[in-house]
Amino acid sequence: GAVVSQHPSRVICKSGTSVKIECRSLDFQATTMFWYRQFPKKSLMLMATSNEGSKATYEQGVEKDKFLINHASLTLSTLTVTSAHPEDSSFYICSARAGGYWSQPQHFGDGTRLSIL
Amino acid sequence: AQTVTQSQPEMSVQEAETVTLSCTYDTSESDYYLFWYKQPPSRQMILVIRQEAYKQQNATENRFSVNFQKAAKSFSLKISDSQLGDAAMYFCAYMWGNMLTFGGGTRLMVKP
Repeated sequence: GAVVSQHPSRVICKSGTSVKIECRSLDFQATTMFWYRQFPKKSLMLMATSNEGSKATYEQGVEKDKFLINHASLTLSTLTVTSAHPEDSSFYICSARAGGYWSQPQHFGDGTRLSIL
Repeated sequence: AQTVTQSQPEMSVQEAETVTLSCTYDTSESDYYLFWYKQPPSRQMILVIRQEAYKQQNATENRFSVNFQKAAKSFSLKISDSQLGDAAMYFCAYMWGNMLTFGGGTRLMVKP
């Protein structure tokens, strides 16, 4: 149980393109989903937290106009990297938490490797 | 702000031997959760073990166990009977509220 699917797993696109990444909880309802960014050989850094039906909460230093997050249903959250540039190249990972209590563990997707040429 | 420190960037263990990965954290909270996640080359984050701060008993999951020292704010992971499949990055993580804070990671290599 507690499977999170993230799609696509790999994206290569030209500078200026907008890229959408999907995060789905397959066998549970995720009231809260999280988006992380991981640089090579580094740890995960939280970008934003999204609750179903409400606006995402962004961490300090994360541009909300650059990284658009939508959590329209209890099983789907999307991250759109708008007008992507080479510095946006990174590994993006989503996670989902079942239920509203914060002590529930987060279940992670397989990540998306984004490469901007 | 909470911080999580993993002082060992790399560790190596012989297959079938035991290895301990260190983790310390800083918090002023009394009720929180601690995790160890494994990230193999596939990059998927896999939950290895979880510890509730209010429980004094150390969590155990098969070959994985923790040594949780709340007063010292220490949370080490012991892997017994190491297997080749244990080779991965291991991240210690602290959770309070919505915030899951990760340590810098320890790369574990397993020698056959």
